[in-house]
Amino acid sequence: DVKVTQSSRYLVKRTGEKVFLECVQDMDHENMFWYRQDPGLGLRLIYFSYDVKMKEKGDIPEGYSVSREKKERFSLILESASTNQTSMYLCASSPLYSGRSGELFFGEGSRLTVL
Amino acid sequence: AQSVTQLGSHVSVSEGALVLLRCNYSSSVPPYLFWYVQYPNQGLQLLLKYTTGATLVKGINGFEAEFKKSETSFHLTKPSAHMSDAAEYFCAVSRNSGNTPLVFGKGTRLSVIA
Repeated sequence: DVKVTQSSRYLVKRTGEKVFLECVQDMDHENMFWYRQDPGLGLRLIYFSYDVKMKEKGDIPEGYSVSREKKERFSLILESASTNQTSMYLCASSPLYSGRSGELFFGEGSRLTVL
Repeated sequence: AQSVTQLGSHVSVSEGALVLLRCNYSSSVPPYLFWYVQYPNQGLQLLLKYTTGATLVKGINGFEAEFKKSETSFHLTKPSAHMSDAAEYFCAVSRNSGNTPLVFGKGTRLSVIA
């Protein structure tokens, strides 16, 4: 089975701290994504990557950055956490060319609270 | 640009009743359409998808959806609700035909009453 693993299920950080959210997938997928999920707002795309060292901004990239140094790993970075970044963060991956084109495989999420 | 509208942020049905979750989309190209389900404290998993071909798509756990181009709809149905169906459901459309990333609706929370 495809597995997308997010390193932390629950995190509590203080305002101004630097936060790293790590995501690893084991299916050699080209594409990786970071979404943010908030009640009533659904999933909003923060950043995505089609290849190693490549990144593209999504709909809400402000206050975030990403790193993809290896194909299987995609990290989301909050340079200076703020309370409005308290949220559930979902990582996903997908193959680039396959019969499953478009289908995303999700991790279980990282719930971040910024105090 | 692609977008998705899910009608009703919360739907409540009795166990054994029909489940109908509504999704309308807008797309400038032939869409790929998806329904995902999220159980409490878990990530999303794919229920079903429409890419090309048959417009009635069957998914896991007895769910199905019908692509209606004339109505720009992709409603999700299940004939008989089960308590285990209680979850949040998301409709999504691909931004470009066949390519990710997906654009998601805001979700519909389904409650099933015994």
